[in-house]
Amino acid sequence: DQQVKQNSPSLSVQEGRISILNCDYTNSMFDYFLWYKKYPAEGPTFLISISSIKDKNEDGRFTVFLNKSAKHLSLHIVPSQPGDSAVYFCAARKSGNTPLVFGKGTRLSVIA
Amino acid sequence: DAGITQSPRHKVTETGTPVTLRCHQTENHRYMYWYRQDPGHGLRLIHYSYGVKDTDKGEVSDGYSVSRSKTEDFLLTLESATSSQTSVYFCAISVHGQETQYFGPGTRLLVL
Repeated sequence: DQQVKQNSPSLSVQEGRISILNCDYTNSMFDYFLWYKKYPAEGPTFLISISSIKDKNEDGRFTVFLNKSAKHLSLHIVPSQPGDSAVYFCAARKSGNTPLVFGKGTRLSVIA
Repeated sequence: DAGITQSPRHKVTETGTPVTLRCHQTENHRYMYWYRQDPGHGLRLIHYSYGVKDTDKGEVSDGYSVSRSKTEDFLLTLESATSSQTSVYFCAISVHGQETQYFGPGTRLLVL
């Protein structure tokens, strides 16, 4: 069974608008959540993360929100730029150097 | 890129042949991971290592073996490649004290 779910395979947004990518998880033992961005023919690159003791983390145009009771997190990108077009993976891990568990990814297209 | 290289970057092989992929890191990180990325599946963990000669299985370990005889190298071997192992393979490392993982550039493998 999938422990990390990204139910939207793709998302299309106009340049300058907000992009909202969603992620749900089932394992209550996860205590750290990450978002990765992936361009074609490159490895995933770390974007932003949040600990389970927080409900929001912000880094420039990127904000991640965590709702533990709903086991849901979201990534907000404001304003969206054409260079943000990529596949975004949500990932989660338990405490310690445990492996990440990834969602299937959401392909974001930002249209100029 | 946290000093991670993967070789080869591209490989075409035939069903039934053995294949070894290499992940090399330059910074003596203890934890290393192998993932595969497939359309509709996201990133899935194959094997990981928490030290020299210390390895463990991941979600999709069948048909794969790994070895880590020195800190800087983590090898992934397909003993007898099958078409279902056609994929993009990513190596990753964890940095002590950080929650993130850093990924290599990937190896694209085609099994005919």
